[in-house]
Amino acid sequence: GNSVTQMEGPVTLSEEAFLTINCTYTATGYPSLFWYVQYPGEGLQLLLKATKADDKGSNKGFEATYRKETTSFHLEKGSVQVSDSAVYFCARASNAGGTSYGKLTFGQGTILTVHP
Amino acid sequence: DTGVSQNPRHKITKRGQNVTFRCDPISEHNRLYWYRQTLGQGPEFLTYFQNEAQLEKSRLLSDRFSAERPKGSFSTLEIQRTEQGDSAMYLCASSPNFLAGGPNTQYFGPGTRLTVL
Repeated sequence: GNSVTQMEGPVTLSEEAFLTINCTYTATGYPSLFWYVQYPGEGLQLLLKATKADDKGSNKGFEATYRKETTSFHLEKGSVQVSDSAVYFCARASNAGGTSYGKLTFGQGTILTVHP
Repeated sequence: DTGVSQNPRHKITKRGQNVTFRCDPISEHNRLYWYRQTLGQGPEFLTYFQNEAQLEKSRLLSDRFSAERPKGSFSTLEIQRTEQGDSAMYLCASSPNFLAGGPNTQYFGPGTRLTVL
């Protein structure tokens, strides 16, 4: 079945450090891939997405590239800020037909804490 | 604000009671999803609607759970005879019409946190 695996956290960084959060997915079909972010006390917000191989999603300084050969969608940011402290979720949806189209499968989430 | 809204935001109930949650999707989004999120985990799919039709239900959705979307707009999720294991955050999401922009981009509400004592 579909699954998503994220690197285990928590991740603690100093401000302006480089961030990588690894995410791999099962290669069933050609799924759309997403990163969602959940700030304390808030709901999930879409951070970025990619819908086909070699696509790069980007937003707010975050980037992730859809790598079909390694079935990965790692999240990166060159210089994190304290305000980036949140929980980050990698997710996949299926682009195949049928009733599962659009249903999201999430990773377990990675807690990021950025210190000044 | 035209985002997804959920009510109530918090619900505390005693074991065995029934609870009902409401979700109002972004207007004109014809797909609506329910997920459950427990502490330290990612959201897990429960069910989804295309307009008023419930198209898929997860195995997680036991007989005590029922969801409706009678007019294709807001949706309700009811849990009967609640158990302590039902304690979780219940998330609702909506996505636009496939023809307009693809159904895969889901926009989430703030969630309803259920605590069963």
